[in-house]
Amino acid sequence: KNEVEQSPQNLTAQEGEFITINCSYSVGISALHWLQQHPGGGIVSLFMLSSGKKKHGRLIATINIQEKHSSLHITASHPRDSAVYICAVNPLSNTGNQFYFGTGTSLTVIP
Amino acid sequence: EAGVAQSPRYKIIEKRQSVAFWCNPISGHATLYWYQQILGQGPKLLIQFQNNGVVDDSQLPKDRFSAERLKGVDSTLKIQPAKLEDSAVYLCASSLGLHSGANVLTFGAGSRLTVL
Repeated sequence: KNEVEQSPQNLTAQEGEFITINCSYSVGISALHWLQQHPGGGIVSLFMLSSGKKKHGRLIATINIQEKHSSLHITASHPRDSAVYICAVNPLSNTGNQFYFGTGTSLTVIP
Repeated sequence: EAGVAQSPRYKIIEKRQSVAFWCNPISGHATLYWYQQILGQGPKLLIQFQNNGVVDDSQLPKDRFSAERLKGVDSTLKIQPAKLEDSAVYLCASSLGLHSGANVLTFGAGSRLTVL
């Protein structure tokens, strides 16, 4: 079983729609990351958070540590938001610097 | 600041041939990671370096894969001999390596390998 589960796996939305991607994890963590991967492109870090909520432009990330759950929201979605969104966590461990990755949510925004 | 540099971006080889990928992390980043990403899946850790020491190589197929980071800066990942199932994107990433565990990962653009 993967330590990080994401849903949905695939998501298609109309331009302008509000989008939510969910991430659940099963281990204690020091931080959670949301990453974006465009087709053929590298991976970009969107957010790192350990509590509460962060906002950057049209993107909002929330985390509930007690429920081991995080959500990534996109408001007023646009075709350029089409990408794979990956949730990753830093597990609490002695070695530090570890990352567990979800398998990603593939988002397509249709004009 | 300059990002994580990787080369080559694309490589096509036949099975049983060898290939090498190079990565130069962000200056000052102590931790360097090599990940394998197969289409439709999340990144899978192959090896993690802290400076020039190996922290985790438990998922590295050591019969055919090797990696080094001799001077604690840039790194090379080699596959010899390649198999069809090695076709994937090989991602290099780096982080400051803070022991708090709350590190931001910066990825390179990746090296896409196709094995025929």
